[in-house]
Amino acid sequence: DTEVTQTPKHLVMGMTNKKSLKCEQHMGHRAMYWYKQKAKKPPELMFVYSYEKLSINESVPSRFSPECPNSSLLNLHLHALQPEDSALYLCASSPSVGNYGYTFGSGTRLTVV
Amino acid sequence: AQKVTQAQTEISVVEKEDVTLDCVYETRDTTYYLFWYKQPPSGELVFLIRRNSFDEQNEISGRYSWNFQKSTSSLNFTITASQVVDSAVYFCALSGLYSGGSNYKLTFGKGTLLTVNP
Repeated sequence: DTEVTQTPKHLVMGMTNKKSLKCEQHMGHRAMYWYKQKAKKPPELMFVYSYEKLSINESVPSRFSPECPNSSLLNLHLHALQPEDSALYLCASSPSVGNYGYTFGSGTRLTVV
Repeated sequence: AQKVTQAQTEISVVEKEDVTLDCVYETRDTTYYLFWYKQPPSGELVFLIRRNSFDEQNEISGRYSWNFQKSTSSLNFTITASQVVDSAVYFCALSGLYSGGSNYKLTFGKGTLLTVNP
C-alpha cells in the first residue's frame, strides 16, 4: 500500500461547527504533515508529526488542532473556522522527518460558510 | 532563507508539442533536494522527481526529462510530445538539509499551469 488516504474528500461546515479531517497511511512512515493550499497558491506547511509527536507548528491558529493517535493516522480537528479558512487541506507522509520521500494524499476540499 | 521561482504562470500548447517548465531556486545549503510535483484538477500532488544537490546528471523518464544546472540554480522540466492528460499545475519545490532546522519543510514555487489543447 503506497497511498495516503484522506477523508472526507469534500466538507462544507458552518462557522460554529466542529469537524475533523482524517489522514491514513500504511507505508510505515513515521513523519506526517498537514499542508493548507488556497486556490491558485502553492501548499503551505501547517504541522509536522514525528513518531506521533507534534514537532512543528507553523504558527497555525488554535482553531486548527492536530492529533496523531497512532503511527498510521493523523487527524485535524476544526472548530470555529472562518470563511478564509476555506482551502484544500493536504496530508503527506515520509519515512522520517528530513527523509524526502514525501507522499501526498488527494486532499480534503473544505468550504466554511 | 530558501526561495523557488517559477516565472511561467501559465503555458498553453497544442498536443504533441514539446514544452519546458522553468524552475530557479535560492538556498544557502550545500546539501539540498529539489522536487517536481504534478497537481491535476483532482487535487492530489503527484511526485515526479527528486534530485539532490550532488547529482547533476540529467534524467529522463519516458516523455519527461529534467535538466539540472547547479551553476544557474535551475532544475527545468521538459515534456516531450505533450498530451491532454499532461494538463495540470506543476510545482517545483526545495528542501534543505541544514537550513536552520527547516529540513522538514518543502518550499514550493508558485506553480505553472500547463494546458495542453487537442
